[in-house]
Order: sequence, then structure tokens, then C-alpha cells
Amino acid sequence: NAGVTQTPKFQVLKTGQSMTLQCAQDMNHNSMYWYRQDPGMGLRLIYYSASEGTTDKGEVPNGYNVSRLNKREFSLRLESAAPSQTSVYFCASSEQVAGGGYGYTFGSGTRLTVV
Amino acid sequence: QQQVKQSPQSLIVQKGGISIINCAYENTAFDYFPWYQQFPGKGPALLIAIRPDVSEKKEGRFTISFNKSAKQFSLHIMDSQPGDSATYFCAASMNSGGYQKVTFGTGTKLQVIP
Repeated sequence: NAGVTQTPKFQVLKTGQSMTLQCAQDMNHNSMYWYRQDPGMGLRLIYYSASEGTTDKGEVPNGYNVSRLNKREFSLRLESAAPSQTSVYFCASSEQVAGGGYGYTFGSGTRLTVV
Repeated sequence: QQQVKQSPQSLIVQKGGISIINCAYENTAFDYFPWYQQFPGKGPALLIAIRPDVSEKKEGRFTISFNKSAKQFSLHIMDSQPGDSATYFCAASMNSGGYQKVTFGTGTKLQVIP
């Protein structure tokens, strides 16, 4: 099915370890995003890529880096994981929808635990 | 600074009842107001959305009411069903430097009991 695919679905890291979360979309969307979801705090934007070749910081970028590899793929890297980065991470892409706004399509998430 | 405030945090409604979730925003530059529905273990999915030049939008059992002067909008779920049990997020977005900047509310966990 068309959509946003995230890998892995679950991950446990030790403090200080590094890892990359992968995201790919097959809807030909220009813009892609990485969010983290924490209880009671909703969805907070980490980084976004308005188009291929560009990336920018969102609301909570510290401790993360991103790469927009091509139009389809947008990865998120934790260089030195910390317990505060325990969260559910969502990748999303967006397109203009009927009515002039932009609707997001989210992946199913990566549940990351840092111990 | 939380720019979109959502309430209540949780809601329990009996089957067949009306579920109402409220949101308020601060920035008048927002020009698109979507609602997302999230089931456990899944990502949020776009449910319904409205632009500020419209006071109400209805899609099936889901209705958005929008009050531009009060900077408030709400989601009404008519004839609520157990399958509607999910977390609902309101959001507000605007064009910012070539991309859609979206601010999400903190979410409302809805439980519809038989």
C-alpha cells in the first residue's frame, strides 16, 4: 500500500549508542517531517525537509541530525542516545489537499527506549 | 509557548452520545485547521479539516465548528461508536518559508463505552 514506511518499529538502545531511523514515502510528496510523541505533550517537530536537498530545525532538534537522501527518503540520526530521547518517533510527508490546506500522512512510528 | 490548547485531556462517552473536543489558538496567521485521529500503535491520520472562512464543516458523523472571532474550534462526533475510541489531535497550520508549519494540540483520548 502507498504511504510512509518507517523502520525499525521498536528499538532499545543503551545510553551513548547511536542509531538511524529510516523513513521512505512513495507518494511523491515534496515535504517530509520527523516528530516525536510524548505523553501529554502531543507531537513536537524535530526536523523537516521542505523539499529534496533542504533540511531545517524544528521545535526540538537538539541531539538529532537528519538526511534527506532523495525525494523518497528522510532519515533521523541519534548520535549519542540519552534517556530523554525515549519516545515514539513519527515520520510524515505532506501534500496539498482539497480546500487548499496540507494534509500529513504519518508512518506507523518507531518506539525507542534508551536505557 | 503552546499555541494550540486542546481540552479535555480524556473523554468517556456512551455509545450513541455526542463527543465534543475543543481547541483554541493564539496566532491569527494560522489558515488551516485539521483534526487527526490516532489508534493505538498507529500513526495519526487526517480526519477532517476546515479553513477559517467557513464556520462549519461536516463529513458523516464528524463536524468541525469554527469561531474565528473567539479563535476557537471544536470537533463534534455524533452517534459516537466504540470504533471511534482513539486519541484525537487538533492542529493549526500556516505557510512559513515555503512549508506548512503545523502546531498540534496535546491530544484527547476518547473512550466510547457500549
